[in-house]
Amino acid sequence: EIVLTQSPGTLSLSPGERATLSCRASQSISSSSLAWYQQKPGQAPRLLIYGASSRATGIPDRFSGSGSGTDFILTISRLETEDFAVYYCQHYGNSPQTFGGGTKVEIK
Amino acid sequence: EVQLVESGGALVQSGGSLRLSCAASGFTFSSYAMSWVRQAPGRGLEWLSVISGSGGARYHADSVNGRFTISRDNSKNTLYLNMNSLRAEDTAVYYCAKKASWFGEIVFWGPGTLVTVSS
Repeated sequence: EIVLTQSPGTLSLSPGERATLSCRASQSISSSSLAWYQQKPGQAPRLLIYGASSRATGIPDRFSGSGSGTDFILTISRLETEDFAVYYCQHYGNSPQTFGGGTKVEIK
Repeated sequence: EVQLVESGGALVQSGGSLRLSCAASGFTFSSYAMSWVRQAPGRGLEWLSVISGSGGARYHADSVNGRFTISRDNSKNTLYLNMNSLRAEDTAVYYCAKKASWFGEIVFWGPGTLVTVSS
C-alpha cells in the first residue's frame, strides 16, 4: 500500500499570499495518477487537480500542481477567502487508492 | 447535471449490518467505475472500495475487506455498500463517488450519508 504524507498539517496564511502544499509518497507513483481535492466544512470534497498538474473543469488558474516520483506540490498563487479549506492528495494508479492525511489552510 | 445521492445512513449497534445506496443521474451510469470513501468525524478521507462499470471487478481496502461489499445495479442506476459486523470505528460520513475510470481520479462526489455505530 502506498502511503501519502501531506505537510504541513496546518498552513496559516493571509489572503493574497502564496500557499505551497506538499504530498510525499512512500514509493514512486506515476504522475498521471495523482489528484488533489479541496474540502470545505460540511461539504463533500471537490476535484482540483488530476494527473498531478491538470486543472479540473472550472478550477481557477491560481491553483497549480506539479511534481513527479514521490514528491508532489499543490500551489495556490494568491489566496482568496474561499480557498481557506482542507486539501487532500490521492493516488489512483493502483489499489488501494489511498488519500493523504490532509493540509488545512487557515486564515492567519 | 450529474447527481449522486446517498441514503441508508443510520444509527446501528456494534455488530449490526447496514446497506447504503447511492442513486446516480445525469450520466451513463454503467460506463463509469464508482467508489465509496468515508470520513470519520474530524478526520481525513479514507478510500474504501471501487467497482467497475459492469460490476464485474471490485476491490476493497484491507480495513473493510470481508465485512463490506460494494455492488451496483445498472438497471437502477444505483450503487450499494453492504456493511456487516459494524464497529464503532466505522462511524463516519460515507461518500459515493464517480470516477473517471478504474484507475482514475474521482470527478464527482455525493453529499454523503452518516453512519453511526454505537458500542
